[in-house]
Amino acid sequence: TQLLEQSPQFLSIQEGENLTVYCNSSSVFSSLQWYRQEPGEGPVLLVTVVTGGEVKKLKRLTFQFGDARKDSSLHITAAQPGDTGLYLCAGPGSSNTGKLIFGQGTTLQVKP
Amino acid sequence: EPEVTQTPSHQVTQMGQEVILRCVPISNHLYFYWYRQILGQKVEFLVSFYNNEISEKSEIFDDQFSVERPDGSNFTLKIRSTKLEDSAMYFCASRRQGADGYTFGSGTRLTVV
Repeated sequence: TQLLEQSPQFLSIQEGENLTVYCNSSSVFSSLQWYRQEPGEGPVLLVTVVTGGEVKKLKRLTFQFGDARKDSSLHITAAQPGDTGLYLCAGPGSSNTGKLIFGQGTTLQVKP
Repeated sequence: EPEVTQTPSHQVTQMGQEVILRCVPISNHLYFYWYRQILGQKVEFLVSFYNNEISEKSEIFDDQFSVERPDGSNFTLKIRSTKLEDSAMYFCASRRQGADGYTFGSGTRLTVV
């Protein structure tokens, strides 16, 4: 069974601090995606990482895919209150139907 | 920017009643999905749909669940006889050919009482 474990589950920091969220699995994934979800809304895709070792940047967000394609990280530099939300990693299941397996999410609160 | 539209946004129903959750996927997308998220839990896959048929379903998607794409634009999830444990946010998502990422709708909050 493919599982994605995220850590930490909750993170509360002050504006301006840096943080890293981790997404780990014992299984190899062909790609991993990161989504952000606001309360009462659906997940919104931030990035897809495909190649082992790949690093992608989205403004103050840096995403990395592990060399072995079993893990990924999201690093936020100088967090702002607008970054507050639930961050989800997700990867495709092995069945090739496009089904996504989600981690349990990391709830980030950035205090002004 | 194209959106996936879900209706209703909230639905309260009595246990044992049938509910239909509606979705309008993005028009040039070919793959359609339903997921659910019970409060405080993971987003869980329910079913994938391609070429007018189910391509995969999870253990959650039992005989009480069905999906339809009746008219080429709407994509519906029906729960025949709702149970208390069906209370959750239900998300519809669609994906175009060759893309990894999904576009999710804003969800329907289903409350079974």
